[in-house]
Amino acid sequence: DVKVTQSSRYLVKRTGEKVFLECVQDMDHENMFWYRQDPGLGLRLIYFSYDVKMKEKGDIPEGYSVSREKKERFSLILESASTNQTSMYLCASSPETGVSPLHFGNGTRLTVT
Amino acid sequence: AQKITQTQPGMFVQEKEAVTLDCTYDTSDPSYGLFWYKQPSSGEMIFLIYQGSYDQQNATEGRYSLNFQKARKSANLVISASQLGDSAMYFCAMGRYNAGNNRKLIWGLGTSLAVNP
Repeated sequence: DVKVTQSSRYLVKRTGEKVFLECVQDMDHENMFWYRQDPGLGLRLIYFSYDVKMKEKGDIPEGYSVSREKKERFSLILESASTNQTSMYLCASSPETGVSPLHFGNGTRLTVT
Repeated sequence: AQKITQTQPGMFVQEKEAVTLDCTYDTSDPSYGLFWYKQPSSGEMIFLIYQGSYDQQNATEGRYSLNFQKARKSANLVISASQLGDSAMYFCAMGRYNAGNNRKLIWGLGTSLAVNP
């Protein structure tokens, strides 16, 4: 089974802090994704990566950056956390072939105070 | 524009009964795939079932089946013999074959299903 692991289940940070959310997958998938999920807004794509060091903006990239130095790891960075970034963050991965389902991690619930 | 619509914010079903969760989609692409995911209160998104636009038969996976009506652009999820553990949010999503494969899925807002004992 594909395993996607997010480093933290719950995280509390202060406004202005730099925040790193880490995600690791163990199935050699080319694609990795970061979503945020808010009530009533569904899943919104922040960034995705289709190869090492490659990234593309999703629908809501403002205030975020990403890093993919190794194929199995995709990091989401909040350069200066703000309260409106309080949310559930979901990482996912998928292979590059065809239309394949995304495999998700357990999510990180981030609270910015 | 690509769009997924789930018209039922919340649904209730009695244990052991069947339930249908609605999903309609809008696309002009001839090649696409439709997915259903389950999200329990624990937060993890679990892939349930997939239907390709060219698949002749409706997809089935255990108690899950997908009622795919291409002309109506609907891909409803049917859960048979509901169990208490089926209580969760259910999301419908669409991916296009010609958009960098499945790099950007279009998601519905979800349906909350509660199974009553």
